[in-house]
Amino acid sequence: GENVEQHPSTLSVQEGDSAVIKCTYSDSASNYFPWYKQELGKRPQLIIDIRSNVGEKKDQRIAVTLNKTAKHFSLHITETQPEDSAVYFCAASRSGGSNYKLTFGKGTLLTVNP
Amino acid sequence: KAGVTQTPRYLIKTRGQQVTLSCSPISGHRSVSWYQQTPGQGLQFLFEYFSETQRNKGNFPGRFSGRQFSNSRSEMNVSTLELGDSALYLCASSTDREWGIQYFGAGTRLSVL
Repeated sequence: GENVEQHPSTLSVQEGDSAVIKCTYSDSASNYFPWYKQELGKRPQLIIDIRSNVGEKKDQRIAVTLNKTAKHFSLHITETQPEDSAVYFCAASRSGGSNYKLTFGKGTLLTVNP
Repeated sequence: KAGVTQTPRYLIKTRGQQVTLSCSPISGHRSVSWYQQTPGQGLQFLFEYFSETQRNKGNFPGRFSGRQFSNSRSEMNVSTLELGDSALYLCASSTDREWGIQYFGAGTRLSVL
């Protein structure tokens, strides 16, 4: 089955710096890659996603890149702010078909220091 | 629209007991997925239901089971509880058309003593 590795497990940056979180996946049939943000004591929420027919997607200060050949994808946060502090999870799945399963990485605790 | 609702929010059980957790999806969402969240393992997929049918199942023992009703509400059951079952259990709902965009509930925190 699919396996998603996520690095680093913890990341501490200064406010205004950039943060990068990387994930690799094992199933070459995976074609949908969402990122979820979970603030302390809150539920995970989707912040951005990318499909395999696209190499990069941006939404304001957040961007995701995908390298299908290498089977890895990354989350980039620019101009970090204290409210970006949270646990970030990457995930992979086969969109459609009979899979209907999101496999998550183990998460990255991002701390943005004021 | 109301979000995904999970009940109860907290549960304390003892080893050997069984427990049932409930999840009401967003209105119109027919897919419900369940996850176990623990500090060391992150979010692990338990199972997914759509129109009362289980479409996929994760690598959990048979003590973990679920079902979905005709109104899309879902329940998961854990029998013969073990200490290691202590976790936050999250459910998420989605439409089939945009299945990957999952909306999570606040979770049920289960403590097994």
